[in-house]
Amino acid sequence: DGGITQSPKYLFRKEGQNVTLSCEQNLNHDAMYWYRQDPGQGLRLIYYSQIVNDFQKGDIAEGYSVSREKKESFPLTVTSAQKNPTAFYLCASSIRGDRGYEQYFGPGTRLTVT
Amino acid sequence: AQSVAQPEDQVNVAEGNPLTVKCTYSVSGNPYLFWYVQYPNRGLQFLLKYITGDNLVKGSYGFEAEFNKSQTSFHLKKPSALVSDSALYFCAVRVASMIKAAGNKLTFGGGTRVLVKP
Repeated sequence: DGGITQSPKYLFRKEGQNVTLSCEQNLNHDAMYWYRQDPGQGLRLIYYSQIVNDFQKGDIAEGYSVSREKKESFPLTVTSAQKNPTAFYLCASSIRGDRGYEQYFGPGTRLTVT
Repeated sequence: AQSVAQPEDQVNVAEGNPLTVKCTYSVSGNPYLFWYVQYPNRGLQFLLKYITGDNLVKGSYGFEAEFNKSQTSFHLKKPSALVSDSALYFCAVRVASMIKAAGNKLTFGGGTRVLVKP
């Protein structure tokens, strides 16, 4: 899982609570991404950031928020507004630019909200 | 808009037999195409990519993929499957862009589960 760490591996929360998932990379990549994975639906992009202090919404940003204060870190907050937050969350990073650079993924955080 | 289709939810193959995982794509422009593999409760691992040049791309663990522009396909292949190849495989696409600010947003297919039986 090449230089990207996500913590914790498993996270349990009660409904109505906000929760923040950590993502750190030591690959010196400018671009970072958050995906949500649900069974049978592949990966869906939540937010992405191409550079420090800048980020854009992905396909399913509602109920989530992010910050990018440091190049190495891209934390994701799952807010109480997210209707169905239980999922496997994956963080990724890549070199920024248009040379078809692949994304490198972290090991993921499995969030369960009850 | 860009999209990826992996028409098979699961592929079953006997160990030692050839393995093929299908992927078709749709983009407005030239594509960059990727294959990733995911083992249970793990992140995705990069296998190979097509950017330009030779249509046959070789990647990690003996996998290869053939880019076919006319059929808009990028099928993943392995000549002789191993039990350890059993995993979830994802195809992904993005359109090549001259704009650096376009970023590197990938669109993923729904995944194909591969089961290699001894």
